[in-house]
Amino acid sequence: AQSVTQLGSHVSVSEGALVLLRCNYSSSVPPYLFWYVQYPNQGLQLLLKYTSAATLVKGINGFEAEFKKSETSFHLTKPSAHMSDAAEYFCAVRRGGTSYGKLTFGQGTILTVHP
Amino acid sequence: DTAVSQTPKYLVTQMGNDKSIKCEQNLGHDTMYWYKQDSKKFLKIMFSYNNKELIINETVPNRFSPKSPDKAHLNLHINSLELGDSAVYFCASSQDPRNEQFFGPGTRLTVL
Repeated sequence: AQSVTQLGSHVSVSEGALVLLRCNYSSSVPPYLFWYVQYPNQGLQLLLKYTSAATLVKGINGFEAEFKKSETSFHLTKPSAHMSDAAEYFCAVRRGGTSYGKLTFGQGTILTVHP
Repeated sequence: DTAVSQTPKYLVTQMGNDKSIKCEQNLGHDTMYWYKQDSKKFLKIMFSYNNKELIINETVPNRFSPKSPDKAHLNLHINSLELGDSAVYFCASSQDPRNEQFFGPGTRLTVL
């Protein structure tokens, strides 16, 4: 079975500072990994995904994530935070191969950006 | 046009009632899902249909019954609602079970 742990339920940064949201996974087979963002009272929007191609994945809104198999991590970063980045971020894992779409989510990290 | 839509957006009802939530996607996807997000924002999959066939059925009370009349729709019917059913329910779809999932805006269910 796969699982996801997001370290830090709340992260607060200043506008213009580096954003780092941590995600560690466990999976018995090579995983597919995803980051989703949820703005208040809205659904989830896909930021980026890792599907066993390049280990550094670039997503929307300037976010990127690096898959590190040795550390079983898939941390999300953005060089310079913007006020509009304030939201909740979810890391998710799915088994690779012929798995039938079951996404397992982490518990979410709320990102606060202050001026 | 909204890719994945859900109705209603808000649903307030009494314990013991039966209610339905509808989901429609206009993306031409073959696979659809229902997720439950609890008060602590924890998201958990409930069901998934691929080409109208049930492929994921997590440990969910049998008061919850999904129905897929066609590939573009996946409805969720809940019988005998309980207080613990209060949550936000998200519908999602993907091209097939291996591709990324697109989420609807959610339905906030409150059981009084």
